[in-house]
Formats: sequence, structure tokens, C-alpha cells
Amino acid sequence: EAGVAQSPRYKIIEKRQSVAFWCNPISGHATLYWYQQILGQGPKLLIQFQNNGVVDDSQLPKDRFSAERLKGVDSTLKIQPAKLEDSAVYLCAIELAGAIDTQYFGPGTRLTVL
Amino acid sequence: SQQGEEDPQALSIQEGENATMNCSYKTSINNLQWYRQNSGRGLVHLILIRSNEREKHSGRLRVTLDTSKKSSSLLITASRAADTASYFCAATSGSARQLTFGSGTQLTVLP
Repeated sequence: EAGVAQSPRYKIIEKRQSVAFWCNPISGHATLYWYQQILGQGPKLLIQFQNNGVVDDSQLPKDRFSAERLKGVDSTLKIQPAKLEDSAVYLCAIELAGAIDTQYFGPGTRLTVL
Repeated sequence: SQQGEEDPQALSIQEGENATMNCSYKTSINNLQWYRQNSGRGLVHLILIRSNEREKHSGRLRVTLDTSKKSSSLLITASRAADTASYFCAATSGSARQLTFGSGTQLTVLP
């Protein structure tokens, strides 16, 4: 988790509400990923950024999810409106320039949709 | 879709025993990695093995890769209570560096 901060750590909302998550790497890293991890499953990639640009968002439900990367550093992931099935942990990960293929994860944001 | 599938889904052992977890995958890979996740925390990278490697060691960890069987195993020797966690295999394939995770093995080490 060193080097990747996420906020908030926990969020409880009602369905149809909106929510945003933040990922703050302590220093600039070219590649940033957002994953969704449903309870009892492995993480599933939502979107991959390279600097400010999107490399792959094929698994992002674009009708309700959006993400952006600010100045190639911080990133936000938004859900609008949320559904019950969006309850999960949302993980941000970065890739170090000197160690590609190895990802460093933040602690995640646990979202509960009621 | 998930590239890797771990086996068993859950494993409970006594402290000091060895723990073995297996991972099978579907397509050709560039490398295969193992991650650990403690309850309520993010994932921590443990070890990476490339497709042209067959075995790798790191401390109490030993990873093997059999590309002909599309499988990998993670061995944790002399387990400790602190090893209690979920363990995931993840593979990269093709030109993408994206990780495709399995569903994980929940390891419980009893003191």
C-alpha cells in the first residue's frame, strides 16, 4: 500500500445516489489502474490510464461509471447513479517505471450501496 | 473473464506446516504473479515468474510454473499465523500489462 493513498476508506450510500473515489499516488507514475473487487472474488480491471490518457476502459460500465486522471497523477472514479450490485471494494494501483508488470495497490475504498 | 483460477478456495493449516496453493490459467501468458491480501487491505505483490522460468524462490515462498499444463503453484514453507490472508494469482498476456486475477485462496494459519 506504500505510495498509493485512497479516500474515503469507507462509503455507504443509497441506490441511485452518486459517489466519487480518489486515488493519490505519492509521486507521479505513468500507469494507473482502477479495479473493482466484489466480496469473495478477485479484482476486476475497470480502467487503465497511461499518463492522462485512457489505455483500456472496455470493462467500465460507461453508462454509470466515469474516471479521469488529473495531470497524470491523481485520479477519480465516479459512479452515478449507483446500483446495489456496485457494492464492492474499489482499488487503485500504480505501476513503477522501473518495475513494469508489478502493480502497487492502495488500501481501497469499501462501497456499500443500500 | 478471469484468467487464473486458484485451488483450493480455502485452506486451513497449523502454524509451522507448509501451504500449497495452485493456479490454473487459460491462455498463453507473459508472466504470472502472486499477490496477498489481508482482510480489509489492498493487495501486496509477492513474486513474479516469467513464462520462460520454471521455478522461483523468495524467502519462504516458492513458485513453480508449468506452461504446458497452464498451471502454477505457490508454496509457503513454515507458515506463520501472520500468513493468514487471501492469495491471488494474476497473469499478464499479450501486449497489455493488465493483470487478470483469479478468485483467490483464503489461507488460515492456526497458532
